[in-house]
Amino acid sequence: DQQVKQNSPSLSVQEGRISILNCDYTNSMFDYFLWYKKYPAEGPTFLISISSIKDKNEDGRFTVFLNKSAKHLSLHIVPSQPGDSAVYFCAARGTSGTYKYIFGTGTRLKVLA
Amino acid sequence: DAGITQSPRYKITETGRQVTLMCHQTWSHSYMFWYRQDLGHGLRLIYYSAAADITDKGEVPDGYVVSRSKTENFPLTLESATRSQTSVYFCASSATGELFFGEGSRLTVL
Repeated sequence: DQQVKQNSPSLSVQEGRISILNCDYTNSMFDYFLWYKKYPAEGPTFLISISSIKDKNEDGRFTVFLNKSAKHLSLHIVPSQPGDSAVYFCAARGTSGTYKYIFGTGTRLKVLA
Repeated sequence: DAGITQSPRYKITETGRQVTLMCHQTWSHSYMFWYRQDLGHGLRLIYYSAAADITDKGEVPDGYVVSRSKTENFPLTLESATRSQTSVYFCASSATGELFFGEGSRLTVL
């Protein structure tokens, strides 16, 4: 049973426009959410995170929104750049005793020049 | 250099053989994790460890064994490799916030 879901396998966006990547989760005990970016043949790199006590967090061009009632988070990239083309993973951290991070299936973003 | 390193980066083995993937981190992070990445499945958690000598199963632990005798090392062993274990394996470490990933180990089981 997939606890963290990214229902869009791919997304194409024009350079300069907004990219919106979505993620849904099922476990209400998750307390911390993260987004990672992954280039081919490299390990995932951390982008931005948000605690469950907040509903928004910004870092430069990246903003993460959390809607706890809907169990939904999204990553907004504005403006999108060709270098943003990568696979994006959302992740959620559980708090049952020890920290356990569950990742989604990823969304491949292509930013068109 | 400080960081998290995995070895080997590439490995080809045969069905039934034992394989060990190594992971070493220099940050003294308490938490360490093993994930596998497969098309259509994203990153799936195999095992994780909260501290030396404390390990726990993740989402897909069957066929894998881990140990953590030292804080900095977290080896992953496939006791009898199967073709379904062909994958890219990522090790990660964390204090309590974000995970820091290694560059991955690509394993092919023939």
